[in-house]
Amino acid sequence: AQSVTQPDIHITVSEGASLELRCNYSYGATPYLFWYVQSPGQGLQLLLKYFSGDTLVQGIKGFEAEFKRSQSSFNLRKPSVHWSDAAEYFCAVGGIGNNRKLIWGLGTSLAVNP
Amino acid sequence: NAGVTQTPKFQVLKTGQSMTLQCAQDMNHEYMSWYRQDPGMGLRLIHYSVGAGITDQGEVPNGYNVSRSTTEDFPLRLLSAAPSQTSVYFCASSSLASDTQYFGPGTRLTVL
Repeated sequence: AQSVTQPDIHITVSEGASLELRCNYSYGATPYLFWYVQSPGQGLQLLLKYFSGDTLVQGIKGFEAEFKRSQSSFNLRKPSVHWSDAAEYFCAVGGIGNNRKLIWGLGTSLAVNP
Repeated sequence: NAGVTQTPKFQVLKTGQSMTLQCAQDMNHEYMSWYRQDPGMGLRLIHYSVGAGITDQGEVPNGYNVSRSTTEDFPLRLLSAAPSQTSVYFCASSSLASDTQYFGPGTRLTVL
């Protein structure tokens, strides 16, 4: 079955600390992988995506993610978190085929302490 | 360039009422879709369209209708609202030449 697991429901970090949000997926074909961010009351903004090629991808706002096929993972990282990064982060897989359906994780809520 | 817009932002309905959630995009994207977001369930695909006049069901289509008369607009209709349809609804669009989907700000719907 196709699925996305984000093991951490909630994470709290101090401003300036590094961050890693975990994402594991189960998908039959070569996956297209995405990270989206949702700020309170806002829509979903694409942070970065992986389709093929270099397994370390750079995104907006200083985020990066690494695709590890052997671990079925696509973890999101940021070396130094800012208070404005507090939000809900969603990992998604899919987006191919005619219906372009994205399969979503349940999200990780990030809180940032000053 | 407004991207993907959705109206209204908030809506409260009584059981049995009907309404239409509006979605529009100005990027000339062929593909448009509707998702609902529920706690503990994540986002689930309701309906999608790959072009004007073409629509198809996603994984949770029951209780919802869609049409695509123009490239820009993809309204979602609830014919008889039920409390189970209380959710946040997101519209998304993408070019068929790209796999990146752009999302609107969402509509928070409460059905009493």
